[in-house]
Amino acid sequence: DQQVKQNSPSLSVQEGRISILNCDYTNSMFDYFLWYKKYPAEGPTFLISISSIKDKNEDGRFTVFLNKSAKHLSLHIVPSQPGDSAVYFCAASDLSGGTSYGKLTFGQGTILTVHP
Amino acid sequence: DGGITQSPKYLFRKEGQNVTLSCEQNLNHDAMYWYRQDPGQGLRLIYYSQIVNDFQKGDIAEGYSVSREKKESFPLTVTSAQKNPTAFYLCASKRAPNEKLFFGSGTQLSVL
Repeated sequence: DQQVKQNSPSLSVQEGRISILNCDYTNSMFDYFLWYKKYPAEGPTFLISISSIKDKNEDGRFTVFLNKSAKHLSLHIVPSQPGDSAVYFCAASDLSGGTSYGKLTFGQGTILTVHP
Repeated sequence: DGGITQSPKYLFRKEGQNVTLSCEQNLNHDAMYWYRQDPGQGLRLIYYSQIVNDFQKGDIAEGYSVSREKKESFPLTVTSAQKNPTAFYLCASKRAPNEKLFFGSGTQLSVL
């Protein structure tokens, strides 16, 4: 039962262009969403998050959009840089549940490659 | 510097052997987590602990055990009952439910 899905295993873009990574979820109780970036043999690092009371959050080159009715979120990276090449995971949490201490459910990840 | 330390970086297990992965944090976080990463499957939750001396099973707890005797430490034991232990194991912690998760650098476990 995959509650968080990233249906694109990989994405390739040219340096300077926009990268759009997508994520879908099925659990309507999820109310907090995050994106993480991961390099091989390292732990994931936090990129950006969004609460379900918002539909957009921006931090520098990174913007996350949330469409609650469609249960869909996306991460936009503009402009893309070669150093952005990594695996990107979306994650979701049910903060209103009270008993799970905000444990995160992760998607499968999307490998982003940015070509110079 | 505050952070999460996982050791060892690489670990090899023989058939029928139990092995323990270490996770220590000096961030003063209450909650700690263990995730497993397999290619193409993302991160799956094994166990988590919200406070000392308490822990809950995650989505794939079978074949694993944990303890939380100290706030700073959350070791994971991969028992011989775990038939497919080869994976990259990640420990994480957070201060509060609505805050981001901090991850350690991971342990790669392989079976000899």
